[in-house]
Amino acid sequence: NAGVTQTPKFRVLKTGQSMTLLCAQDMNHEYMYWYRQDPGMGLRLIHYSVGEGTTAKGEVPDGYNVSRLKKQNFLLGLESAAPSQTSVYFCASRPPGQGYNEQFFGPGTRLTVL
Amino acid sequence: AQSVTQPDIHITVSEGASLELRCNYSYGATPYLFWYVQSPGQGLQLLLKYFSGDTLVQGIKGFEAEFKRSQSSFNLRKPSVHWSDAAEYFCAVGDRISGNTPLVFGKGTRLSVIA
Repeated sequence: NAGVTQTPKFRVLKTGQSMTLLCAQDMNHEYMYWYRQDPGMGLRLIHYSVGEGTTAKGEVPDGYNVSRLKKQNFLLGLESAAPSQTSVYFCASRPPGQGYNEQFFGPGTRLTVL
Repeated sequence: AQSVTQPDIHITVSEGASLELRCNYSYGATPYLFWYVQSPGQGLQLLLKYFSGDTLVQGIKGFEAEFKRSQSSFNLRKPSVHWSDAAEYFCAVGDRISGNTPLVFGKGTRLSVIA
């Protein structure tokens, strides 16, 4: 099992450019999440999905879009990148079930917007 | 909605010394509680979790945490810190009523270990 993988690991964009971050998990998890991590701010939820074809907004959704066309993939899109979106992006997934199972995290994508 | 406070942004301890990282939560009932660790340049790894039962929870790497309902706290402890424990630590809260809502994370505590 590869667990949760993220592509790419690093990216530099110019203001106004667009890009898509890919998160893939091979654990058949229903729930998937996108977070951004900034110094002193901890992890902030951008968008999440509770199943294939469903998405929901998190704490900081503006400027981002997501899609969950396949259960194993969760895409995060930036249509017009801004310097304020410079951050480290983490994807996570977890299975449903009784109680609250742990979230498994990917290694992160470091994005710089110039 | 639940929330998490980690009062200490940065803590420095000597190698071999004991460690306690504080976590306070706000939630109407007993939440699910987690501690995650993030080593430099890495993703987050689960250290331990509390769902119910014994309020003292053992985790990986020699860490433990104690749930105290009266103080709304879930502090992380380690009796003897190793240099490899230098990392950022995050406390998180899960909603017991709605199991499909995302975890809410604290802002993290950065741990430095000195010789």
